Amino acid sequence: AQKITQTQPGMFVQEKEAVTLDCTYDTSDQSYGLFWYKQPSSGEMIFLIYQGSYDEQNATEGRYSLNFQKARKSANLVISASQLGDSAMYFCAMTPVGFGTGTRLTIIP
Amino acid sequence: NAGVTQTPKFQVLKTGQSMTLQCAQDMNHEYMSWYRQDPGMGLRLIHYSVGAGITDQGEVPNGYNVSRSTTEDFPLRLLSAAPSQTSVYFCASSYSVGQYGYTFGSGTRLTVV
Repeated sequence: AQKITQTQPGMFVQEKEAVTLDCTYDTSDQSYGLFWYKQPSSGEMIFLIYQGSYDEQNATEGRYSLNFQKARKSANLVISASQLGDSAMYFCAMTPVGFGTGTRLTIIP
Repeated sequence: NAGVTQTPKFQVLKTGQSMTLQCAQDMNHEYMSWYRQDPGMGLRLIHYSVGAGITDQGEVPNGYNVSRSTTEDFPLRLLSAAPSQTSVYFCASSYSVGQYGYTFGSGTRLTVV
């Protein structure tokens, strides 16, 4: 069955450190898209980064990068130099399968 | 501002009542979808549409109806509200499935008493 798995319910990270949020997926499709979204305490869903299954290079958007390992079916989000404003829920998603259960990231000053 | 507009932001219903959550986008997106978010369960797909006149069921469709008469609008109808439908509902749209990120509405917090 197609599914998205996020195994880290919560993480605490010191400010300015890098953080990796894990995401694994399962699909038999050859063409798919992987996404990460941020949901701050205000509740809105913010699109962070996209990786296509045929993209040869890992996607990057500013401090966000996606560590895509196709053979291992993993799509981990890396946030470099974390900031207090990065504290939020983070969801991994794969279309059209759906969303993972999320990781609550807390940045410690 | 371009984006996805959801109304209302908050709603309290009594068990058995019906209501419609509104969703409109002005980005000419073909794909629109409805999710519900419950604690510890992420976002679960209720219904989706790949274009006007085309809808399909997602993971948790029971108790909900949708229609897509125009590209812009994708309302979600609760037929007979139940306490189990207490949740936060998000509408999302995209140019197409699989290639672009979704743009989300601000959400509707629904409580059924």
